[in-house]
Amino acid sequence: QSALTQAASVSGSPGQSITISCTGTSSDVGGYNFVSWYQQHPGQAPKLIIYDVSNRPSGVSNRFSGSKSGNTASLTISGLQGDDEADYYCSSYTNSHRSGVFGTGTKVTVL
Amino acid sequence: QVPLQESGPGRVEPSETLSLTCTVSGYSISDNFYWGWIRQPPGKGLEWIGSIYHDGTTYYNPSLKSRVAISIDTSKNHFSLKLTSVTAADTALYYCARDRPHCFGDTCYRGHDVFDIWGRGTVVTVSS
Repeated sequence: QSALTQAASVSGSPGQSITISCTGTSSDVGGYNFVSWYQQHPGQAPKLIIYDVSNRPSGVSNRFSGSKSGNTASLTISGLQGDDEADYYCSSYTNSHRSGVFGTGTKVTVL
Repeated sequence: QVPLQESGPGRVEPSETLSLTCTVSGYSISDNFYWGWIRQPPGKGLEWIGSIYHDGTTYYNPSLKSRVAISIDTSKNHFSLKLTSVTAADTALYYCARDRPHCFGDTCYRGHDVFDIWGRGTVVTVSS
């Protein structure tokens, strides 16, 4: 099954807002509100930061927000901080195989 | 204590079977969650391998389905992964994670996209 499509890299200056996109199809991102986002720092396990498109787990900063339009989900990081420098992955349910699928990942650099 | 801990050989020979176990601490593996395996090849992205429910029902990534088997032992509070006929392409960091269903009231749906608790991961290298 094909991975969801993300830009390889996104950068921004401290304090700015950036948006990471995750593009799928009507069989996954577009068909369900089952989209999650993960943050992965080097050498660490991924951390869930958004689920069900826009919900934040307890303890996750409200600087992280999620949305969806059609077949594309988005993660916005506002007030960019140095610790936000990490890899970010989206994931979604896909009915084409009734399974889960991750995005290709986006490396966020804080300038 | 670490909630999820992967264990198993760090090296597997080509064509052999990769076997890993994930021990769950502090949570009952019989709760209303799935339990999943995810891998990450060196320098690459995440790939969902599959998940299992406490009743033994399994769900696999179709690209790996012919080689994967996930099992669960509720008495030991652990679940396991077997991947057969491995090649160098199976070299990766393997994670186990709790796979949370989407629940709305009393109705829950599996999505295999919400992994809310992760192990630290274990590196498996396929080489002779």
